[in-house]
Amino acid sequence: ETGVTQTPRHLVMGMTNKKSLKCEQHLGHNAMYWYKQSAKKPLELMFVYNFKEQTENNSVPSRFSPECPNSSHLFLHLHTLQPEDSALYLCASSQDGASGTGGTQYFGPGTRLLVL
Amino acid sequence: EDQVTQSPEALRLQEGESSSLNCSYTVSGLRGLFWYRQDPGKGPEFLFTLYSAGEEKEKERLKATLTKKESFLHITAPKPEDSATYLCAVPPDMRFGAGTRLTVKP
Repeated sequence: ETGVTQTPRHLVMGMTNKKSLKCEQHLGHNAMYWYKQSAKKPLELMFVYNFKEQTENNSVPSRFSPECPNSSHLFLHLHTLQPEDSALYLCASSQDGASGTGGTQYFGPGTRLLVL
Repeated sequence: EDQVTQSPEALRLQEGESSSLNCSYTVSGLRGLFWYRQDPGKGPEFLFTLYSAGEEKEKERLKATLTKKESFLHITAPKPEDSATYLCAVPPDMRFGAGTRLTVKP
């Protein structure tokens, strides 16, 4: 595998379910990101991890819980979501997230989430 | 608050018809501007990074330029395979514009 991979690619869940999204990067990067992309809206940065430490949480509801066990893996745990959380969830990585520029970010293909 | 605005929202071109996309921004202390291309159902694909006013970068039919207030993505003699949504973003919080959806008709 090369680049940034995400699983699953598609997910349908009920509002009472608990599920997790997985992201893995094979680029040797030190920073990883979660974004939300809703229809007709700009990409929204959700969480930033740099060297496994969370450095940003952009006022994301607690029903989204990130986990970064190492520099190559990033998870987004989901529970009691709302229909308005339906979106494309994108993971990205960059060499270094601490420089202020974020570095060039490389994106995975995304997980298309539908909350019923 | 930092703002990133892209225009037009959508652009339809005939194959070979050159045009430009705009990304205007209001950030304090610009630390770079990124251009990405996104195809339907896929994640954004990195195109360019520009760091200072006057800088230009080219890749095939695309050329990106940067001024103190905006960036342009010039598309010369586009082909149907250039059809995509083009996104710009500014750090440090990687604020993205809403994108320009480009369609190139043969």
